[in-house]
Amino acid sequence: SSELTQDPAVSVALGQTVRITCQGDSLRSYYASWYQQKPGQAPVLVIYAKNNRPSGIPDRFSGSSSGNTASLTITGAQAEDEADYYCNSRDSSANHHVVFGGGTKLTVL
Amino acid sequence: QVQLQESGPGLVKPSETLSLTCAVSGYSITSGYYWGWIRQPPGKGLEWIGSLYHSGSTYYNPSLKSRVTISVDTSKNQFSLRLSSVTAADTAVYYCARRAGIAAAGSTMGYYYMDVWGKGTTVTVSS
Repeated sequence: SSELTQDPAVSVALGQTVRITCQGDSLRSYYASWYQQKPGQAPVLVIYAKNNRPSGIPDRFSGSSSGNTASLTITGAQAEDEADYYCNSRDSSANHHVVFGGGTKLTVL
Repeated sequence: QVQLQESGPGLVKPSETLSLTCAVSGYSITSGYYWGWIRQPPGKGLEWIGSLYHSGSTYYNPSLKSRVTISVDTSKNQFSLRLSSVTAADTAVYYCARRAGIAAAGSTMGYYYMDVWGKGTTVTVSS
């Protein structure tokens, strides 16, 4: 199965912009989706299909993709954005198989 | 509004079978989408367990395939997970989720995403 690689931890000053990245071979054919998870809660979808936001997700969240790298950008990070973020995509080696990145812990300073 | 709710025993003995059910409300499983299970061991990341389509087609994580069965009960609008021969390494929060997306075609990128999640249920494997 294929893998998705994320940096374990990233920090950002309050109000600044931060980019969280996800790398993997499958991202050359499939856009990543991104999930926010706060302690004790289920993951919440924040970006899908490259740069689409579900209803209720603030527009400071955006997605992009280039080659084997997908990025989640938070423009003007807020204290409530402190959370774990996971990328997810189709496993490039098997149809209908899914793979998650290891997650990035975002700290808002 | 689509909602998913996991249920099942919170404690399972080693070597026994873990069984969980995900009840779906606000949407008929037979109308489409894929339905799956994801787990998260304490302090660790998300791991995809497997998915199914309402027709009965199933797809499993190769690392768990020999022990996993996912099935659907369309009459109850729910789907289930069975994981056999559990060990302490199977201790985790188990989530069910709805999966959407399209396949890549030619130069057009595809995408998968899980748009609706259950709240999760904690399963501990211990004697």
